[in-house]
Parts: sequence; structure tokens; C-alpha cells
Amino acid sequence: QKEVEQNSGPLSVPEGAIASLNCTYSDRGSQSFFWYRQYSGKSPELIMFIYSNGDKEDGRFTAQLNKASQYVSLLIRDSQPSDSATYLCAVLSGGSNYKLTFGKGTLLTVNP
Amino acid sequence: SAVISQKPSRDICQRGTSLTIQCQVDSQVTMMFWYRQQPGQSLTLIATANQGSEATYESGFVIDKFPISRPNLTFSTLTVSNMSPEDSSIYLCSVDGQGGGYGYTFGSGTRLTVV
Repeated sequence: QKEVEQNSGPLSVPEGAIASLNCTYSDRGSQSFFWYRQYSGKSPELIMFIYSNGDKEDGRFTAQLNKASQYVSLLIRDSQPSDSATYLCAVLSGGSNYKLTFGKGTLLTVNP
Repeated sequence: SAVISQKPSRDICQRGTSLTIQCQVDSQVTMMFWYRQQPGQSLTLIATANQGSEATYESGFVIDKFPISRPNLTFSTLTVSNMSPEDSSIYLCSVDGQGGGYGYTFGSGTRLTVV
């Protein structure tokens, strides 16, 4: 069974710090990797996706992918209280079904 | 990215009844996905709905309990049948609005409570 693992947290960081969120996956055939942010009571919102090994930066967010280690991470620089949310890692499996498998999410709290 | 309208946004239903959730997309999409998010949990895929074919259900989900329609490329419904309190959850539809796996967009969700 294809699995996506995340630390459930909560992860607490002070405002202005770097928040580091980690995710591992079991399916070596996975092609694409996504980070979603979900505020309490809201639906998930896509914030980053990455396909290739290395880093991908978008504003304060950096996604890092290491396919050999089956590891993907999300760094949030200059964390703000508005970043407080649950962050979900999702992995797109190979093949034709384009199915996303989600981790359980990491709750991030940014303290003012 | 695609914009999805999902309704109802919430409902409280009696056990034994059924609820149909609608999902309307502002553009044509090949695949639509239905997820369930139980309280405090992550998202679990219920089924994939392609236009013109039967929905494909994930392990643990059956058509009799969660019938799905996909009459065209912009619309789908999920019915939760013969509900029990264990069906209380958030139900979300999702589409690959940009194609090619560039990101999946979610509807706003339906919060279902079964009493």
C-alpha cells in the first residue's frame, strides 16, 4: 500500500523563524509532489508542487525533493501567524489513474 | 486554475436517509475526484469519476453506499446513502484543473453531520 508519512506535530515556531515540514513516501514510482495548506474548517489549498530533485522556491516557500531518499520537505521562511494551519503532503502515483495520496498533515503554529 | 462550486456547504441529516452533494466546475475536466475527511484526519479518496464511464472506487468504498454520477465534463454528484453517524465527515470534490498533474483544486467541501 502506498503511504505518505508526516509528523503530526504540532510544530510551533516563533514569528520570523523558518518552519521546516517533512514528508516521506513509500512508492518509488511517484511522479509529483504537492504541499497543501488547510486552515481549520476550510478545504485544502495548493501552495507548492515539485517534480524534480532539488529545490523549488516560490516567495517565502521552498519545496525540496530527494527521490533517492523518498523525501520531500517544505520550508517556510519568515513565518507569520497567518501561516498557522495544517500542511498536507500529497504524492501523485505513477500510471494512468493520477491519484493523489495524502499524508495526515502537520499542524503548524506560528507564535507572535 | 479551475474554480469549483460545491453544495450544500453543510447539512444535518437523519440516519437512514441519503444526501446528494453536487460539484460544478467552471471548465471542462477529464477526471473528478471525491474525498472524505473525517474529523481530525487527512483526506481519503473515495472514488474517481470520469465522464462516460463508471466511477472507480477505492478499497473500502462501494457504489451502493456512494453512488456517483458524471453526466458531463463540468459536473458530478456524490450520494451518501443510508447514512449512519459514522458517515459524519467533510466531503470534498477535486479536479486536476490544469491538466498534467500541475495541481489539484478542491471544492469548498460539504460538512455532513448524521444524527
